[in-house]
Amino acid sequence: EADIYQTPRYLVIGTGKKITLECSQTMGHDKMYWYQQDPGMELHLIHYSYGVNSTEKGDLSSESTVSRIRTEHFPLTLESARPSHTSQYLCASHRAGRPRNEQFFGPGTRLTVL
Amino acid sequence: DAKTTQPTSMDCAEGRAANLPCNHSTISGNEYVYWYRQIHSQGPQYIIHGLKNNETNEMASLIITEDRKSSTLILPHATLRDTAVYYCIVDLRSGGSNYKLTFGKGTLLTVNP
Repeated sequence: EADIYQTPRYLVIGTGKKITLECSQTMGHDKMYWYQQDPGMELHLIHYSYGVNSTEKGDLSSESTVSRIRTEHFPLTLESARPSHTSQYLCASHRAGRPRNEQFFGPGTRLTVL
Repeated sequence: DAKTTQPTSMDCAEGRAANLPCNHSTISGNEYVYWYRQIHSQGPQYIIHGLKNNETNEMASLIITEDRKSSTLILPHATLRDTAVYYCIVDLRSGGSNYKLTFGKGTLLTVNP
């Protein structure tokens, strides 16, 4: 059972607001990820982290930023939300090593920017 | 990284086996085949993975061809709750430094009553 949490689950906010999407995991995983997914479309990696104080940009360019001050916490911030940021944001953490490498996903945050 | 090709959608009758194909003709020798699924509005979930031998777990079976250029995910007795998008991924290396997943479009499996 994956222990990875995202809050809020749903967020409706006006243009220009600063928002932070929270992601926490209690599994002690070093690697964490943020994906963005529009309805009916593919998941795209926007940020990832290999550990504390490590953050990297993903394959899809994003105006959001992330931080990794603690192993269990990987928040995503939008300084000034715009309607183009409307999407679902999924956080994941990675269990490495044998017998398998596996990413565990949170339930997602559905963001709507008006 | 290897690229996969999957059908856009498939239908299956409840209680029957669902066979989901995946082509990965450019897979390299040390790359694994992973399958994930995403039920509507949820995060993806790991199903199974393999290197070159067939694999089975409580969720599914994975059949990989001898040349490793294609594979088939088998759900032996599909239920309505198996309706989801199924992703075949081959760019995750066990023990390697690249731990990123690249999700394609996947196959939307619809299980009908």
